[in-house]
Amino acid sequence: KAGVTQTPRYLIKTRGQQVTLSCSPISGHRSVSWYQQTPGQGLQFLFEYFSETQRNKGNFPGRFSGRQFSNSRSEMNVSTLELGDSALYLCASSPRGEPTGELFFGEGSRLTVL
Amino acid sequence: GQSLEQPSEVTAVEGAIVQINCTYQTSGFYGLSWYQQHDGGAPTFLSYNALDGLEETGRFSSFLSRSDSYGYLLLQELQMKDSASYFCAVRLNSGNTPLVFGKGTRLSVIA
Repeated sequence: KAGVTQTPRYLIKTRGQQVTLSCSPISGHRSVSWYQQTPGQGLQFLFEYFSETQRNKGNFPGRFSGRQFSNSRSEMNVSTLELGDSALYLCASSPRGEPTGELFFGEGSRLTVL
Repeated sequence: GQSLEQPSEVTAVEGAIVQINCTYQTSGFYGLSWYQQHDGGAPTFLSYNALDGLEETGRFSSFLSRSDSYGYLLLQELQMKDSASYFCAVRLNSGNTPLVFGKGTRLSVIA
């Protein structure tokens, strides 16, 4: 069974640009969550989608957005990039938002903003 | 706001036992999870506690005390490959709420 796949793995952008990151969850998983990871800050929750609906949203500015498609694949978009957006963006899937707290993470997309 | 506190770094000797603590102050509590992340890798799920007590999975055990808002991850017979970052995470309410993560503990296992 294939794991969570994130593309691209690495990318470099300049301030003011926008970026779109893609996540393909494990087959059969309907919940997709996105987290931002920066050194010393742990994982900060961005948003969660379930069956194409945003179910939860973290405390990030409106420049951060996302969506989920009917095949459960998800994308997140960051517009008007700032230097502080440089981070590892992690996608995680679960069958339906398991109360056990078990998420299956991808290896992330490392974004560098210059 | 939500707060999870865990030590930033821990160093332990190969073959020894190490305990990584996590205290939380959150608006709700449904369960405590632990994740491991090697450098450059994806976080991977280790354990979950919803009720007080100890859960054992091989060399790893996790403990929860809901009354103390406290939990820990215990790693026994440490191996070099256990060098990684370990995160505790709280599910605030039912399965429809996101996991809130601590900032992580970097474990270094030395010979």
